[in-house]
Amino acid sequence: DAGVIQSPRHEVTEMGQEVTLRCKPISGHNSLFWYRQTMMRGLELLIYFNNNVPIDDSGMPEDRFSAKMPNASFSTLKIQPSEPRDSAVYFCASSLWNTEAFFGQGTRLTVV
Amino acid sequence: GQQVMQIPQYQHVQEGEDFTTYCNSSTTLSNIQWYKQRPGGHPVFLIQLVKSGEVKKQKRLTFQFGEAKKNSSLHITATQTTDVGTYFCAGAWGKFYFGSGTKLNVKP
Repeated sequence: DAGVIQSPRHEVTEMGQEVTLRCKPISGHNSLFWYRQTMMRGLELLIYFNNNVPIDDSGMPEDRFSAKMPNASFSTLKIQPSEPRDSAVYFCASSLWNTEAFFGQGTRLTVV
Repeated sequence: GQQVMQIPQYQHVQEGEDFTTYCNSSTTLSNIQWYKQRPGGHPVFLIQLVKSGEVKKQKRLTFQFGEAKKNSSLHITATQTTDVGTYFCAGAWGKFYFGSGTKLNVKP
């Protein structure tokens, strides 16, 4: 298995634009997590899916953020409209029944 | 809500010295996991502790889980430059809440 695959690896966008981050979890994993990492706030859990169903989105900063998991092999995190304070590294991770989390390489987002 | 606190935030050591990072939870954990993130990389799983008082070793790394399952520690003996990175603990309550991490710098 290629592991958790995220795209794009880097994204630079202008303030106000829509940004979509993509994630392909490891096949067979039933949990998927989106994290945001910044120097100031560390690793923040944004949203957590179990069997494609959003279980907890309490970490989503505001309504500008949305996440979907239409099937077991794909998830998206969308920011609309984007703001400079959204600049961060966004990680997707998957796991099987609360065992170890496997992280993707991350998407480095810069909003200018 | 659930919180996992980790100290220290930074640690600078001379190569060969020991290093310890501590993790504390406000509530009892079902299990605790440790991850390492190299500079510019992504977190990579090191180990999971499940039982009260559990101690596990991986070469120079020793992991402990407290008796009350509310705290944990990672100890590295005789650090090497390859140990550089940020070490995170993660408390599991169905999902993983990560501590703030301890950034380790090892001077050769």
